[in-house]
Amino acid sequence: EAQVTQNPRYLITVTGKKLTVTCSQNMNHEYMSWYRQDPGLGLRQIYYSMNVEVTDKGDVPEGYKVSRKEKRNFPLILESPSPNQTSLYFCASVSRITDTQYFGPGTRLTVL
Amino acid sequence: DAKTTQPTSMDCAEGRAANLPCNHSTISGNEYVYWYRQIHSQGPQYIIHGLKNNETNEMASLIITEDRKSSTLILPHATLRDTAVYYCIVRALIYNQGGKLIFGQGTELSVKP
Repeated sequence: EAQVTQNPRYLITVTGKKLTVTCSQNMNHEYMSWYRQDPGLGLRQIYYSMNVEVTDKGDVPEGYKVSRKEKRNFPLILESPSPNQTSLYFCASVSRITDTQYFGPGTRLTVL
Repeated sequence: DAKTTQPTSMDCAEGRAANLPCNHSTISGNEYVYWYRQIHSQGPQYIIHGLKNNETNEMASLIITEDRKSSTLILPHATLRDTAVYYCIVRALIYNQGGKLIFGQGTELSVKP
């Protein structure tokens, strides 16, 4: 089954404690993205990757890092989380054949 | 990317067709109309997309007006599980920023028994 998985699904942490949210897709897609969703602001792209070792900033990259060492994985790293990064995060991968985006189930992060 | 306008909310009776409108009067010739939905805090789910011809798949139908300035997503037999926020997105079939989608506020569809 084609899917995008994220872990953890829920996380409560404290300011400054480094964390990583993992994302994996089994569809061999080249393009992957991270979005965050906040009330009243919709989904906003954080970072994206167009292939292995090719990443670039989206619209709201401050405070985040990503890496793409292999095609299937695209982890999101918060080196020093702050309360304003409390949000619902989605990873997505894109099929260039069908022009369809597949989203993961989401990670709800709370930074205290 | 062209701007879209959707009603904030709509109700639909279970078993009836749900018709969700979207205005995109500034759409360009190379821009497609995409529909995604998000069921309460789950990841958005692709529904359908089209350029100018009407499209149908197992989930829904997409009707695009001849001038392409508006479209309607049709869920032919709505069920309670179709209760969700529905997003109409317009963009060209190019992969700037990794295929970024710009989500507006969408239409909150409530399917009622």
